[in-house]
Amino acid sequence: SQQGEEDPQALSIQEGENATMNCSYKTSINNLQWYRQNSGRGLVHLILIRSNEREKHSGRLRVTLDTSKKSSSLLITASRAADTASYFCATDELTQGGSEKLVFGKGTKLTVNP
Amino acid sequence: DVKVTQSSRYLVKRTGEKVFLECVQDMDHENMFWYRQDPGLGLRLIYFSYDVKMKEKGDIPEGYSVSREKKERFSLILESASTNQTSMYLCASSLSAYGYTFGSGTRLTVV
Repeated sequence: SQQGEEDPQALSIQEGENATMNCSYKTSINNLQWYRQNSGRGLVHLILIRSNEREKHSGRLRVTLDTSKKSSSLLITASRAADTASYFCATDELTQGGSEKLVFGKGTKLTVNP
Repeated sequence: DVKVTQSSRYLVKRTGEKVFLECVQDMDHENMFWYRQDPGLGLRLIYFSYDVKMKEKGDIPEGYSVSREKKERFSLILESASTNQTSMYLCASSLSAYGYTFGSGTRLTVV
């Protein structure tokens, strides 16, 4: 299966700074999604960007997509200690049975220091 | 808000036991998924279901089975638990591939 690969694996910044995480994937996609996971909890859907979109915003989140480079970035502006979490990108993939499923990367662990 | 409820946050089971992990969603979603999450390996899809009594294998189905008798409930079954099945198990549901809703996870330890 194709898999998004996040970069860096871990990121530590100070409160108020911006955090940028990157995701690369291998094959063509219909959409790419970003999720957040607080320690020991389930994932929460943050934002979806379709293959024909280049940039999308949601509050302090900005996502870009470059399909020619098969890459996406997630920018969190003016970070807060509460943003400390792991962030995952996910891409859609067709199964052998013709269904759609999401394939997740291994995540970037973000620590925002107060 | 859509809610996905996993019956247990923590479970400890013995090797060889049959284990049931239950997941219930309350928004009439067609699709339901079971993932396991391990350090360094990310999330891996075990099984998913796109309709009642319909199921499809994910990337790592060996040692697992599933049951979906009702639309809202998707159960993961470990037929004979082994220590290498110690993991965090995450259930999710969706209407399509556009945005999954996850449960809080079940941390299973097999001793």
